[in-house]
Amino acid sequence: AQSVTQLDSHVSVSEGTPVLLRCNYSSSYSPSLFWYVQHPNKGLQLLLKYTSAATLVKGINGFEAEFKKSETSFHLTKPSAHMSDAAEYFCVVSTYNTDKLIFGTGTRLQVFP
Amino acid sequence: DAMVIQNPRYQVTQFGKPVTLSCSQTLNHNVMYWYQQKSSQAPKLLFHYYDKDFNNEADTPDNFQSRRPNTSFCFLDIRSPGLGDAAMYLCATSRTGRHYEQYFGPGTRLTVT
Repeated sequence: AQSVTQLDSHVSVSEGTPVLLRCNYSSSYSPSLFWYVQHPNKGLQLLLKYTSAATLVKGINGFEAEFKKSETSFHLTKPSAHMSDAAEYFCVVSTYNTDKLIFGTGTRLQVFP
Repeated sequence: DAMVIQNPRYQVTQFGKPVTLSCSQTLNHNVMYWYQQKSSQAPKLLFHYYDKDFNNEADTPDNFQSRRPNTSFCFLDIRSPGLGDAAMYLCATSRTGRHYEQYFGPGTRLTVT
């Protein structure tokens, strides 16, 4: 079975400081992993995805994530937070043969001026 | 731009009064999904379609029904809304295959009075 665990329900940073949102996964096969962002009262937007190519994945808005098989992790990072990054972030893994996604519980990112 | 469109963005209905939410897509994806998302939670899959093949989640209440008359459109019908059905309803689309991401619409916020 596949699963994802987001290790922090809330993360607070100051504007201009680095962001780290942590995600561990469990999968019996080579997974496809995604990070989505959701601003209040909006739909989910794909930030980036890993599908067994390069382990360091670059996404939109300066975000990137590194797939580490040995640590079963897929942490999301950004060098410098912006106020507009304040949102809910979901780490997601795909299932093997059902086209369904399994969502983590989400991490709420707050950015202080 | 190709996209997933949901109408209306906000819907208010009375307890027990049927309501229909709509979703359309210009991406020509064969898979369409309906999710329910309550405050501070991850989206919860209600059902999805492979083309016209309907797939219901085991824990989706019978109160929720869906129709997909063609590739572009999908509807969510709530036959007798209860107060517990107040939520954000998200439509998503994707291609078939676990490497493909899902594209989400902006959501419909349902209020039940």
